[in-house]
Amino acid sequence: SQTIHQWPATLVQPVGSPLSLECTVEGTSNPNLYWYRQAAGRGLQLLFYSVGIGQISSEVPQNLSASRPQDRQFILSSKKLLLSDSGFYLCAWSGVRENEQFFGPGTRLTVL
Amino acid sequence: AQSVTQPDIHITVSEGASLELRCNYSYGATPYLFWYVQSPGQGLQLLLKYFSGDTLVQGIKGFEAEFKRSQSSFNLRKPSVHWSDAAEYFCAVGAQRGGSQGNLIFGKGTKLSVKP
Repeated sequence: SQTIHQWPATLVQPVGSPLSLECTVEGTSNPNLYWYRQAAGRGLQLLFYSVGIGQISSEVPQNLSASRPQDRQFILSSKKLLLSDSGFYLCAWSGVRENEQFFGPGTRLTVL
Repeated sequence: AQSVTQPDIHITVSEGASLELRCNYSYGATPYLFWYVQSPGQGLQLLLKYFSGDTLVQGIKGFEAEFKRSQSSFNLRKPSVHWSDAAEYFCAVGAQRGGSQGNLIFGKGTKLSVKP
């Protein structure tokens, strides 16, 4: 069966520090991968998606970037965090043919 | 423009009462429709989905949803709510094809509280 992991579960970082959040998927090949941010009361905002290694599409211009160095690894990064980057970050995957998405447990990021 | 509207931000129901959460969508093509549930601090779990066929779909935890094309709606229902159903519920719509067109559009969510 497929599983999706996110690391770390929680993170507290000062403004201006770098960020690296990791998402890995097991049990499937060539998944579509997604990064979402969820701010309180604002639903899910799609940040990036990837249909293959090295292929990243950005949905919202911002302080963040994403990379996909391996087929089942998706990384969300920032060089300098802003206060507004605080939120709950969710990674998800879907199959190539179906767009039913499966979500990871999330990372709670607090920028102070 | 493609969009999903969940008109109710917060709903409170008594345990054992019936539940209906509303979802309306605007989508240019035949949609795939989803309901997800999120417990506090957790990821989203898929409750049910509609791709085609029978417009009344059954999901996990006793939930069902009905696709009404004429009303552009996909409302979620449960005949008897349990205290453990307290969570936030998200409706989503997407294209029928995956790949780069597989992105989902989510509503802003409805928070469900359950009174004992």
